[in-house]
Amino acid sequence: DAMVIQNPRYQVTQFGKPVTLSCSQTLNHNVMYWYQQKSSQAPKLLFHYYDKDFNNEADTPDNFQSRRPNTSFCFLDIRSPGLGDAAMYLCATSRYQAPGTSGAGETQYFGPGTRLLVL
Amino acid sequence: AQSVAQPEDQVNVAEGNPLTVKCTYSVSGNPYLFWYVQYPNRGLQFLLKYITGDNLVKGSYGFEAEFNKSQTSFHLKKPSALVSDSALYFCAVRDKYNAGNMLTFGGGTRLMVKP
Repeated sequence: DAMVIQNPRYQVTQFGKPVTLSCSQTLNHNVMYWYQQKSSQAPKLLFHYYDKDFNNEADTPDNFQSRRPNTSFCFLDIRSPGLGDAAMYLCATSRYQAPGTSGAGETQYFGPGTRLLVL
Repeated sequence: AQSVAQPEDQVNVAEGNPLTVKCTYSVSGNPYLFWYVQYPNRGLQFLLKYITGDNLVKGSYGFEAEFNKSQTSFHLKKPSALVSDSALYFCAVRDKYNAGNMLTFGGGTRLMVKP
């Protein structure tokens, strides 16, 4: 089945120790997104890629970086995790739909998430 | 700008009764509207979406939603709730002319279905 995969499902790191979360997809979607979700709140978009074009949200801290080496994989790097970065991190993918064009709404499909704990 | 409101933090319903989870939206143009469900420690799972056409949209697990343009609403409904429907539900909107395909999510509504 085509899907979005996130590894690991649970990650424990130490305060200040760099950590990398990974996401892969078999949907061949050209857009990939990273969200942060805290305490059953709405997911907060950190950044997204349209193919290799990186788009950072204005309020995403510099501590968060991302890499997309190819269509299938995308990584979230947290350079110096703080206690406030403990959260669920969600990866999502979609096809790109040009603004104003007719299309299928281009649903975002989410992975199962990685829960990050910072000690 | 686009925004979504889910006015209820929690909805309680007895098993077998109909359920409604409310959502209202605001976009400058034509909306694409989505419902997602999230079970504990899981990602968001797509339920259904409205793009155009018939105002009543049917989705997974017996859920449906009705698009009401005059009331700018997209309420999620199910005729007969199951205990297994208990989860966190998110409504999301995207303006058809949104260049980045970005979704704006509501704050979420926790659905509790009691036996």
